[in-house]
Amino acid sequence: AQSVTQLDSHVSVSEGTPVLLRCNYSSSYSPSLFWYVQHPNKGLQLLLKYTSAATLVKGINGFEAEFKKSETSFHLTKPSAHMSDAAEYFCVVSDRQEYGNKLVFGAGTILRVKS
Amino acid sequence: SAVISQKPSRDICQRGTSLTIQCQVDSQVTMMFWYRQQPGQSLTLIATANQGSEATYESGFVIDKFPISRPNLTFSTLTVSNMSPEDSSIYLCSVARAEWLGEQYFGPGTRLTVT
Repeated sequence: AQSVTQLDSHVSVSEGTPVLLRCNYSSSYSPSLFWYVQHPNKGLQLLLKYTSAATLVKGINGFEAEFKKSETSFHLTKPSAHMSDAAEYFCVVSDRQEYGNKLVFGAGTILRVKS
Repeated sequence: SAVISQKPSRDICQRGTSLTIQCQVDSQVTMMFWYRQQPGQSLTLIATANQGSEATYESGFVIDKFPISRPNLTFSTLTVSNMSPEDSSIYLCSVARAEWLGEQYFGPGTRLTVT
């Protein structure tokens, strides 16, 4: 079975400081992993994806994530937080070999950015 | 990617009634999905909308409660039937193509409140 655990329900950082949102996954085969962002009262936007190519993935708005198979992790980072980064972030796993295109969402992490 | 629209964007309905939500994509896609996001929760897949055949429902969701249509490769509807306050949620459609390697793009969502 595939599943995702986001280790923090809320993260608070100061503007200009690094962001770390933690995600661990469980998958039987070779998963695809995604990070989506949801701003208040807005739809979901894809930040970045890992699909078995480079383990360090760069996304939009300065975000990046590293796939670590040995740790079954896919943490999201950004060197310097901006006020506009305040949103809810979802880590998502897809095990296409076993489950086709079904996405499994983590519970979400709400990122707060303080000025 | 794809541009996806949903109608209505929000609605307030009385218990016992039904609401049909429309999802329109600006280009042909292989797969369309319907998700539910209950207040303060993550996204849960309701079903995969199959073009020309019955939708494939996830555990806990049934056709009588959530009938789905997909008459062509760019359009789908989800009906929430015999609504109760527990159905108050955001309903989102998403789309995918085989060449996107599991990536899905989401519509803006329909915010449903049942009184």
